[in-house]
Amino acid sequence: DTGVSQNPRHKITKRGQNVTFRCDPISEHNRLYWYRQTLGQGPEFLTYFQNEAQLEKSRLLSDRFSAERPKGSFSTLEIQRTEQGDSAMYLCASSLVAAGVNQPQHFGDGTRLSIL
Amino acid sequence: AQSVTQPDIHITVSEGASLELRCNYSYGATPYLFWYVQSPGQGLQLLLKYFSGDTLVQGIKGFEAEFKRSQSSFNLRKPSVHWSDAAEYFCAVGARGDTGFQKLVFGTGTRLLVSP
Repeated sequence: DTGVSQNPRHKITKRGQNVTFRCDPISEHNRLYWYRQTLGQGPEFLTYFQNEAQLEKSRLLSDRFSAERPKGSFSTLEIQRTEQGDSAMYLCASSLVAAGVNQPQHFGDGTRLSIL
Repeated sequence: AQSVTQPDIHITVSEGASLELRCNYSYGATPYLFWYVQSPGQGLQLLLKYFSGDTLVQGIKGFEAEFKRSQSSFNLRKPSVHWSDAAEYFCAVGARGDTGFQKLVFGTGTRLLVSP
């Protein structure tokens, strides 16, 4: 079990630039989740995948955000035309669904995004 | 809508003393409940979970939590705190999303400080 891996760990960019984050889930996990955490707050759900299908998106996920999981393995989260309010920690989690039971989500160490 | 309340923003406990972190949830059905711990700059680590059955659940690092349906609470306890327990603690409820699957709704967290 190598855990959930996120890259990069830190990203600093200028307002208006596009950024892309990558998440590699635990290998046998079929679900992958993205959360956003701002300073002093708990994580907030953004979206999740069951294999390669994106099954739910939060209202927090504006049209500048897009997430993909093309082969049901790793996932990418892209933010276009970044804004100051996008500064946050972006957390990825994965879990295994078996026999209709949701297993606990395991989190990566996150990507911290800072917008200058 | 589902929600989680952690009424204590900060708690300071002397090393070796007992600990109780409070968590209240709002959810219309039988909840899935979790406690996660987060060290600075890191992701979230699962401490324990409640899905069903015995309302007193044991977790890692000597933590336990008790589910009380009548009080809508899931308080976290530890009999003797170690300096390494200093971190941010998040309570979460497993909510059913638009497509019927689980996502996590988190509280705002409680920061635990451990004094010598």
